[in-house]
Amino acid sequence: DGGITQSPKYLFRKEGQNVTLSCEQNLNHDAMYWYRQDPGQGLRLIYYSQIVNDFQKGDIAEGYSVSREKKESFPLTVTSAQKNPTAFYLCASSPGAGEETQYFGPGTRLLVL
Amino acid sequence: GQNIDQPTEMTATEGAIVQINCTYQTSGFNGLFWYQQHAGEAPTFLSYNVLDGLEEKGRFSSFLSRSKGYSYLLLKELQMKDSASYLCAVRVRHKLSFGAGTTVTVRA
Repeated sequence: DGGITQSPKYLFRKEGQNVTLSCEQNLNHDAMYWYRQDPGQGLRLIYYSQIVNDFQKGDIAEGYSVSREKKESFPLTVTSAQKNPTAFYLCASSPGAGEETQYFGPGTRLLVL
Repeated sequence: GQNIDQPTEMTATEGAIVQINCTYQTSGFNGLFWYQQHAGEAPTFLSYNVLDGLEEKGRFSSFLSRSKGYSYLLLKELQMKDSASYLCAVRVRHKLSFGAGTTVTVRA
């Protein structure tokens, strides 16, 4: 089955801790994206990558970091510098960064202890 | 920045029709998407408009007027499973900007 997987489904973070959210796709898509969703707000773009070994900051990149060492994988690290990390995190991919539709993974809900 | 507005909530009866409006003011335009999102789940793609006019897909239709910065999503023959949030998103170059979403509640 082709698709996008995210793990874990729920993640708890302690103060001062870095945590990494996984995103994997087997759709052979070039472009991948990370969004954050808060109640009552639209999805906001954190980082995106159009090709392996390249990524760009989105609208709210502060306190986050990413890597794109493989086409299939685009992990997101929420660092201790992100002071309000509690949110629903969604990973998406598209065949390219042009006109194509973005398809979303099931999401990871991050909670702060 | 990009400004995308849609109503917060709408309620309709099973079997009825609901129209969700989306207005946008963006620094460019490369297409408009509608997604459906059930609570706690991922958004799923519904429709894409890049030219003016109506796109029909079964019970769902989407309309675009680029000159007015306006789109709507029309849901016909509403079913209980259509209760969800509907997200309007505008593509500017290779980035999507999302509205806050419209929560549609379908009542029996």
